[in-house]
Amino acid sequence: DQQVKQNSPSLSVQEGRISILNCDYTNSMFDYFLWYKKYPAEGPTFLISISSIKDKNEDGRFTVFLNKSAKHLSLHIVPSQPGDSAVYFCASWGGGGADGLTFGKGTHLIIQP
Amino acid sequence: ETGVTQSPTHLIKTRGQQVTLRCSSQSGHNTVSWYQQALGQGPQFIFQYYREEENGRGNFPPRFSGLQFPNYSSELNVNALELDDSALYLCASSLDIGLSYNEQFFGPGTRLTVL
Repeated sequence: DQQVKQNSPSLSVQEGRISILNCDYTNSMFDYFLWYKKYPAEGPTFLISISSIKDKNEDGRFTVFLNKSAKHLSLHIVPSQPGDSAVYFCASWGGGGADGLTFGKGTHLIIQP
Repeated sequence: ETGVTQSPTHLIKTRGQQVTLRCSSQSGHNTVSWYQQALGQGPQFIFQYYREEENGRGNFPPRFSGLQFPNYSSELNVNALELDDSALYLCASSLDIGLSYNEQFFGPGTRLTVL
């Protein structure tokens, strides 16, 4: 039973364009949502987060949108840069369970020059 | 400020053996969590330690156990290794200050291969 789903294993975007990564969740008790970025041979690096009481959070080129009624969040990267090529994980916290994060399977973002 | 470090980087074991993985928390952090990331999957929460006590556990059997030391470093022990235990094991540290969520900082991981 996957509580956090990233249905696109990979996404290819041209440099300078917008990258949109999507994530769906099933547990309505999640309190907090996060996006992590992971390069090969490195651990995940925190990118941006959003509390369940908000619907948007912005940090530079990165914006996360949360639609609670649809149980859906998305990460927008504008403009996309070559260094953005990485695997992006959507993660959730809370939900009445243990204190760990629940991750999706990840989306491999490839920025084409 | 020193980040989260893990050792060893890579490890090869055979089925039935036991393994110990180590993690040094980021300076000043008092909580450590362990995750297992199988190939093509996202990290899965194993357990969390706070002040040397297990503070939460995911859906992993008892042969996965851990320790946290007074300096907040940690060990993950896995007994009776199975082929499916082959994965990247990630350690994450955080500072629990009573907030609803405390940001977790990940180490680079230990790649375990079970033959």
